[in-house]
Amino acid sequence: DIVMTQSPESLAVSLGERATINCKSSQSVFSSPNNKSYLAWYQQKPGHPPKLLIHWASDRESGVPDRFSGIGSGTDFTLTISSLQAEDVAVYYCQQYYGTPLTFGGGTKVEVK
Amino acid sequence: EVQLLESGGGLVQPGGSLRLSCAASGFTFSSYAMNWVRQSPGKGLEWVSSIIGGSSTTYYADAVQGRFTISRDSSKNTLYLQMNSLRADDTAVYYCATPFSGNYHEGIDYWGQGTLVTVSS
Repeated sequence: DIVMTQSPESLAVSLGERATINCKSSQSVFSSPNNKSYLAWYQQKPGHPPKLLIHWASDRESGVPDRFSGIGSGTDFTLTISSLQAEDVAVYYCQQYYGTPLTFGGGTKVEVK
Repeated sequence: EVQLLESGGGLVQPGGSLRLSCAASGFTFSSYAMNWVRQSPGKGLEWVSSIIGGSSTTYYADAVQGRFTISRDSSKNTLYLQMNSLRADDTAVYYCATPFSGNYHEGIDYWGQGTLVTVSS
């Protein structure tokens, strides 16, 4: 199984400041034939299902604000919120869809400092 | 508009059974990969099972292999999860979910609101 490890577990950031979340996979989730990393980022607010923010490691979903960005390849990935807004308070998860079982990171709780 | 509506959750005793349903609309259900993902109270997301679009191929997490069965009825646009030999650690909100493209190896765009399963005596 591909283990996804997120850090930190929680993060407190002032409004307007940058938030950075890391995700590391236990093996590469990069596919050479299509030059893509099979890595997604989700945002989940209490009482709601997850919302897909980014897939293929760096492709932002339609309608997702451009303050959210993803970078990385192979085994190391980062989600950045460039300027934290109050509505960004949530838990963020990474997920690999390269192999079975599909696996998620443990989550990072982002709060306002 | 894609819609996924889960039902069938509830309270069940350890060792009991439950069948979850997910009514799907807004896309070509039969050709889409469908997933069940669960979330225990206060915990993270855990993939449970998938069924591949256009085939009978199914996948299961080790934790549910041999106890849970995923299936679909394309005539009813409905996904199922038959859960047997339920244990306390199966207590969770169960989400039905599918990627926009319908392919298994994709990020998951569409999620239902979830149905709560509580296993307790």
